[in-house]
Amino acid sequence: ILNVEQSPQSLHVQEGDSTNFTCSFPSSNFYALHWYRWETAKSPEALFVMTLNGDEKKKGRISATLNTKEGYSYLYIKGSQPEDSATYLCASQPDNYGQNFVFGPGTRLSVLP
Amino acid sequence: DSGVTQTPKHLITATGQRVTLRCSPRSGDLSVYWYQQSLDQGLQFLIQYYNGEERAKGNILERFSAQQFPDLHSELNLSSLELGDSALYFCASSVEGGALSDEQFFGPGTRLTVL
Repeated sequence: ILNVEQSPQSLHVQEGDSTNFTCSFPSSNFYALHWYRWETAKSPEALFVMTLNGDEKKKGRISATLNTKEGYSYLYIKGSQPEDSATYLCASQPDNYGQNFVFGPGTRLSVLP
Repeated sequence: DSGVTQTPKHLITATGQRVTLRCSPRSGDLSVYWYQQSLDQGLQFLIQYYNGEERAKGNILERFSAQQFPDLHSELNLSSLELGDSALYFCASSVEGGALSDEQFFGPGTRLTVL
């Protein structure tokens, strides 16, 4: 059974702080790792899709890295802003055919002004 | 706005009843996915359709079924509803749904409450 874990479960930071959190996934049968940002009362929004070991993606102040051999991905937010407050979900896509995504439980980030 | 629409937004019904949730994917997207988010649980993948055919199945109960129509909209049918079926049901769409690791675009969700 595929198990995707995320840590920490929740995080409170001050505006301007940089932060990072982790997504762990089984490294066998790996195809892709997806990061989503999910604001309260809205629907999940795709941030990154990562497939290759050593991949690094960046979108503004948010970046992510991927290690497929050891089965983890880090999401970094530089200079957190209150609008970054959301739940950050990762999802492992274990095979090409079927896209049977398995989501982690999420990391809930609160950025205090 | 992701371009994925879901109706209804809210649905309140009684145990034992049957409901249908509807999803229209983004223009040009061939794949539709259904997810369930219950209280205190993460997103659970239910089922995926690609260009009208079932592509992948996840943790979908036998009481639930789905289909994708020729115009690519999809419906999720939930029958013999139980209290535990109360959840937020998301639909997502993507361009390919298997050939590439393309991203999924989520609709606003349908909140189902079973009383």
